[in-house]
Amino acid sequence: ETGVTQSPTHLIKTRGQQVTLRCSSQSGHNTVSWYQQALGQGPQFIFQYYREEENGRGNFPPRFSGLQFPNYSSELNVNALELDDSALYLCASSFGVGAGELFFGEGSRLTVL
Amino acid sequence: DAKTTQPNSMESNEEEPVHLPCNHSTISGTDYIHWYRQLPSQGPEYVIHGLTSNVNNRMASLAIAEDRKSSTLILHRATLRDAAVYYCILRDSGGSQGNLIFGKGTKLSVKP
Repeated sequence: ETGVTQSPTHLIKTRGQQVTLRCSSQSGHNTVSWYQQALGQGPQFIFQYYREEENGRGNFPPRFSGLQFPNYSSELNVNALELDDSALYLCASSFGVGAGELFFGEGSRLTVL
Repeated sequence: DAKTTQPNSMESNEEEPVHLPCNHSTISGTDYIHWYRQLPSQGPEYVIHGLTSNVNNRMASLAIAEDRKSSTLILHRATLRDAAVYYCILRDSGGSQGNLIFGKGTKLSVKP
């Protein structure tokens, strides 16, 4: 059984560019959530996908968007990058929504210059 | 989701027990108490969760106050590998979303 994998692990972009981050969920999981973690802070919820539909969103602007594919893998897209978007982006998978355990990947470290 | 309060940091000696406190005075009847930890350069990992009764698993124990307004995560014998940020999180069992609301957590340092 493979865990949650994310790619790329590190990347550098410049302000105004667009970025796509990818996540493969753990085998058997149909729900993926994305979190942003700034340095020294706890992770902040961006949005969640359940069976290919967005199932909840945190306080992030529309330039943060996502997709979930039929195999339950997911993408996070961020348009018009700003300096404050520099952070660790974490993907978590689970089976179903609600109070179950989340399994996190190791994250993608984005630096915006 | 209700909020939790944790100390910013704690220190422990290796092979000694560690008690990590969490206050959640506004907890509702349907909120589960979850603990996650985040080791350096890794994503968070689940530790334990409970509703009313104390819980034990291979990683830790969770002691929940009778009024449920506080809880304590217990690591029975701290190892250097337990050095991490520990997050106490309330999750509504009846919620339609599975998102976690993280605070800043408690940074645990373990001295050899």
